[in-house]
Amino acid sequence: RKEVEQDPGPFNVPEGATVAFNCTYSNSASQSFFWYRQDCRKEPKLLMSVYSSGNEDGRFTAQLNRASQYISLLIRDSKLSDSATYLCVVNRRGSTLGRLYFGRGTQLTVWP
Amino acid sequence: DADVTQTPRNRITKTGKRIMLECSQTKGHDRMYWYRQDPGLGLRLIYYSFDVKDINKGEISDGYSVSRQAQAKFSLSLESAIPNQTALYFCATSDRGGIYGYTFGSGTRLTVV
Repeated sequence: RKEVEQDPGPFNVPEGATVAFNCTYSNSASQSFFWYRQDCRKEPKLLMSVYSSGNEDGRFTAQLNRASQYISLLIRDSKLSDSATYLCVVNRRGSTLGRLYFGRGTQLTVWP
Repeated sequence: DADVTQTPRNRITKTGKRIMLECSQTKGHDRMYWYRQDPGLGLRLIYYSFDVKDINKGEISDGYSVSRQAQAKFSLSLESAIPNQTALYFCATSDRGGIYGYTFGSGTRLTVV
């Protein structure tokens, strides 16, 4: 079973729409969680960390459900510039502490 | 200057050639990583290093080698390049706990013909 699994999409939404992505992780010992954004042929960039209590950054809201081992990202009022691939990322407690595990990404296209 | 710098940005090489991709960082991070990315396959870990004397194989290390010349430098070599090593290669760094995630370089687009 993969460490991190995401629906690859693509998600195609109009400007102004609300869209949500989920991902699941397999290791209950995972302790840090992130969403990264990757534009085509560019490096992944940290979008936001995900905290146990949930957190919000402008139009973006991240939630963590440890019991069910899933993470979500909600984007409100989508903009054309939100078109990208969103990567769900977790780390794992133990000897490889610090190493991150990446989902394959969910592709989002926002159209006018 | 970028925190994590990869060179070259683009490279076309011939099958059988040896090629080195270089990565340097100014983050002061102990940990450095090399990933490759192929369409539909996501990021796959090639090698990682937790300090200068600690090198570890990742998921797909065959055909690759690395050198950690200093805390700030981590090079990836393809000893004898083959066409299925055509990919986008990323170097990344993290602090010891990884609690702040990775910082990635801009990537090297490698084509083996």
